[in-house]
Amino acid sequence: EAQVTQNPRYLITVTGKKLTVTCSQNMNHEYMSWYRQDPGLGLRQIYYSMNVEVTDKGDVPEGYKVSRKEKRNFPLILESPSPNQTSLYFCASSLGSGGDYEQYFGPGTRLTVT
Amino acid sequence: GQSLEQPSEVTAVEGAIVQINCTYQTSGFYGLSWYQQHDGGAPTFLSYNALDGLEETGRFSSFLSRSDSYGYLLLQELQMKDSASYFCAVRDRTGFQKLVFGTGTRLLVSP
Repeated sequence: EAQVTQNPRYLITVTGKKLTVTCSQNMNHEYMSWYRQDPGLGLRQIYYSMNVEVTDKGDVPEGYKVSRKEKRNFPLILESPSPNQTSLYFCASSLGSGGDYEQYFGPGTRLTVT
Repeated sequence: GQSLEQPSEVTAVEGAIVQINCTYQTSGFYGLSWYQQHDGGAPTFLSYNALDGLEETGRFSSFLSRSDSYGYLLLQELQMKDSASYFCAVRDRTGFQKLVFGTGTRLLVSP
């Protein structure tokens, strides 16, 4: 089954404790991205990647890191999480450029930073 | 950069037709996409318009006018299951491959 998976689905952590949210897709998609969703603000893109070793900032990259060492994986790293990073996070992938192709979203990761 | 405006909420009754508008300001433009998101779920793709005009997919249609920087999603024969949030999105030409979403329109369908 074609899908995007994220882990963990729920995470409660404390300020400053480094964490990684994994994202994997099995569709051989070139484009992958991370979004955060907050009430009233919609989906905001954090980082995106056009291919292996090619990443770029979205609208809200501060406090986040990403890497794309393999085509299928695109982990999101919070090196020193803060409470303002409490949010619902979605990973997505698409065949090509994010705006021109259907984005397939993962199930989401609800992160709480205390 | 980009900004997209959508109404925050729209209400309608089963069987009715509803239109959700999206206006955008952008320094470059490739096309307009629409996504649906049910409460607690992930966004799912509905449609994409690169050219002016109406694209129809079953009960849903999407329209784009590039000269007016405006698009809309039209939902016909509304069903209760259409209650969800709807987002328009554009690719940011200045950001090369960045994708920008609107803040979303919550559609409430009542019996």
